[in-house]
Amino acid sequence: AQTVTQSQPEMSVQEAETVTLSCTYDTSESDYYLFWYKQPPSRQMILVIRQEAYKQQNATENRFSVNFQKAAKSFSLKISDSQLGDAAMYFCAYRSAGGNQFYFGTGTSLTVIP
Amino acid sequence: KAGVTQTPRYLIKTRGQQVTLSCSPISGHRSVSWYQQTPGQGLQFLFEYFSETQRNKGNFPGRFSGRQFSNSRSEMNVSTLELGDSALYLCASSPDRGSYEQYFGPGTRLTVT
Repeated sequence: AQTVTQSQPEMSVQEAETVTLSCTYDTSESDYYLFWYKQPPSRQMILVIRQEAYKQQNATENRFSVNFQKAAKSFSLKISDSQLGDAAMYFCAYRSAGGNQFYFGTGTSLTVIP
Repeated sequence: KAGVTQTPRYLIKTRGQQVTLSCSPISGHRSVSWYQQTPGQGLQFLFEYFSETQRNKGNFPGRFSGRQFSNSRSEMNVSTLELGDSALYLCASSPDRGSYEQYFGPGTRLTVT
């Protein structure tokens, strides 16, 4: 089974600074999707960014970007110009292209310091 | 479009009881997945339903079951509740089985005492 590992249970960043959240995964498949989800306190989980494994170009969504290293099976999330509203639990997730099950990491709790 | 809704939002039950949680997917979405979220464990996949059939099941005991209705609404049931079943139960809907889009509901917070 695929596994997703987030080795940083907690991270903090000063407002307006940049922070990188780490994620590694284990799979023998070549075609898959990777995701970062954000879960604010007591609020719904929402999709932050998605990366298709067959795309070499790293995905970017406004202040959020990823560093996808397929050979190293690494998928980190960079948040630039951090804002107070970025404080949340962030989950890395994997889904094989041929399957329908998502595998999630254990999450990284991000604190933004004013 | 309305988002994924889950009812009830909070539940307190006693060990040994059973509980039923409900999930209404986004209109037009046909796939519903359930997850159990606990601190330190992250989200663990329970099962996925599509066209009223369970398509995938995670590594949970048979006390956890579910179903999907013809309107795509889904319910999950946990029988003989244990203290360890205390968790946030999340439902997620997708347009179709092959879709990588997954939209989460707010969850049902279950506390077992």
